[in-house]
Amino acid sequence: EAGVAQSPRYKIIEKRQSVAFWCNPISGHATLYWYQQILGQGPKLLIQFQNNGVVDDSQLPKDRFSAERLKGVDSTLKIQPAKLEDSAVYLCASSSLAGRETQYFGPGTRLLVL
Amino acid sequence: AQTVTQSQPEMSVQEAETVTLSCTYDTSESDYYLFWYKQPPSRQMILVIRQEAYKQQNATENRFSVNFQKAAKSFSLKISDSQLGDAAMYFCAYRSAGSGNTPLVFGKGTRLSVIA
Repeated sequence: EAGVAQSPRYKIIEKRQSVAFWCNPISGHATLYWYQQILGQGPKLLIQFQNNGVVDDSQLPKDRFSAERLKGVDSTLKIQPAKLEDSAVYLCASSSLAGRETQYFGPGTRLLVL
Repeated sequence: AQTVTQSQPEMSVQEAETVTLSCTYDTSESDYYLFWYKQPPSRQMILVIRQEAYKQQNATENRFSVNFQKAAKSFSLKISDSQLGDAAMYFCAYRSAGSGNTPLVFGKGTRLSVIA
C-alpha cells in the first residue's frame, strides 16, 4: 500500500513570495490533515478535510494561507504572501473514515523563507 | 483544550539498554487515544504505539511498551534493548475519540540519542 505522498520536499523562497504544497493521501482515506511543525516544536493542526469539505480550519491564518481538496483526494496548501515565521515543515496526514483510525503521515515539506 | 507535555527535551541511552520517555496530558474527556510517534531526521512521522483510554491493559509492540496511568494522566514509553536505529525525536500525541476523525495534539518532543 502506497503511503502519503508530498511534494516538494524542500522549498526556499523570499518573504512576500507565494508557495504551494501538494499532498496525495493513502488511497481510500477520507480524512486529510495539514500540520505545521516549527523547529523545536511538535506539529500543530492547520486544517482538516473530510472528503472535500473543511472540518476544522480554526488555526489556519486565513489572511495568507489557503487550502483546497477539490475532488476529495489530493490537496494543496498555499501561502501568499509568505512571512519569515512561516519557515517550518508542513506535514500532511490521512486517515480512514472509521473514526478510531490512526493517522499516517507523509515525509513533509521543509519551507525556508528568507 | 487538551495539552500534552513532554518534560524531557533530550534523553540518551546506551545501546541494548532500556530507556523511558515521559509524557503527561491534560483533558476533561473520558474517551480518547494516546500515541507515540517517532520522527527520524528524514522527518517522516512513524507510529510507534497506540493506546485506547478505555483499555486498562498497557499496549506493547515488540521492544516498545507504554505505562498508561489514566488517573494520573501519564503515558510513558519504554524502549527495551535500544538500537542505534531508535535514535530520533519522539512525540507523544493525544486524540479525542469524538464522532468522526479528530486531529492530533502533540507534545514538544524528546530527542533520543543512542550511544554505541
